Amino acid sequence: AQTVTQSQPEMSVQEAETVTLSCTYDTSENNYYLFWYKQPPSRQMILVIRQEAYKQQNATENRFSVNFQKAAKSFSLKISDSQLGDTAMYFCAFMKQGGSQGNLIFGKGTKLSVKP
Amino acid sequence: DAGITQSPRHKVTETGTPVTLRCHQTENHRYMYWYRQDPGHGLRLIHYSYGVKDTDKGEVSDGYSVSRSKTEDFLLTLESATSSQTSVYFCAIRTDLSYNEQFFGPGTRLTVL
Repeated sequence: AQTVTQSQPEMSVQEAETVTLSCTYDTSENNYYLFWYKQPPSRQMILVIRQEAYKQQNATENRFSVNFQKAAKSFSLKISDSQLGDTAMYFCAFMKQGGSQGNLIFGKGTKLSVKP
Repeated sequence: DAGITQSPRHKVTETGTPVTLRCHQTENHRYMYWYRQDPGHGLRLIHYSYGVKDTDKGEVSDGYSVSRSKTEDFLLTLESATSSQTSVYFCAIRTDLSYNEQFFGPGTRLTVL
């Protein structure tokens, strides 16, 4: 079975600075996807970024980028130029490629506070 | 926005009563999911569907049933609600198999007294 671990329950960062959220996972699969979701106080789950395991290049979406280390089973999220609107819970998630289920396995989340 | 709505958005009910939550999508995605979110647990899969009348259990399916009679609707039923089912429930759809992204509805907060 796959597991996802987020070791930082809470973090804070000053506005305009850079912060990195950690995520590790355990799987015996070779083909899979990894995701970061953001959940602001509105409770809506918002997809931030996606990484395919077969791609060596790290995914980037504007101010958000990942550091994907497949051998180490590590998938960290870097937020550059942090903004007040980045304040939210962030969840790391794993999806096995193929098969009929295709569900996400989530970590327990990291609560990020961006301070003015 | 993947056109996913959930109803009701909030519900308070009493132990032992039946409850049905509805998820509606407008884009004809084949795969739909129900997750629950509890403090300290992230989101966990309850049931999923891979087509009309095709459903299967997830990690925390005890006490829940689902039905999907139309592509656009996926219903989650608590036959006899218990206090342990107090939670926030999210519905999700999965995009095509080559892209494999999941998009979520706004969630339903259910309180069982």
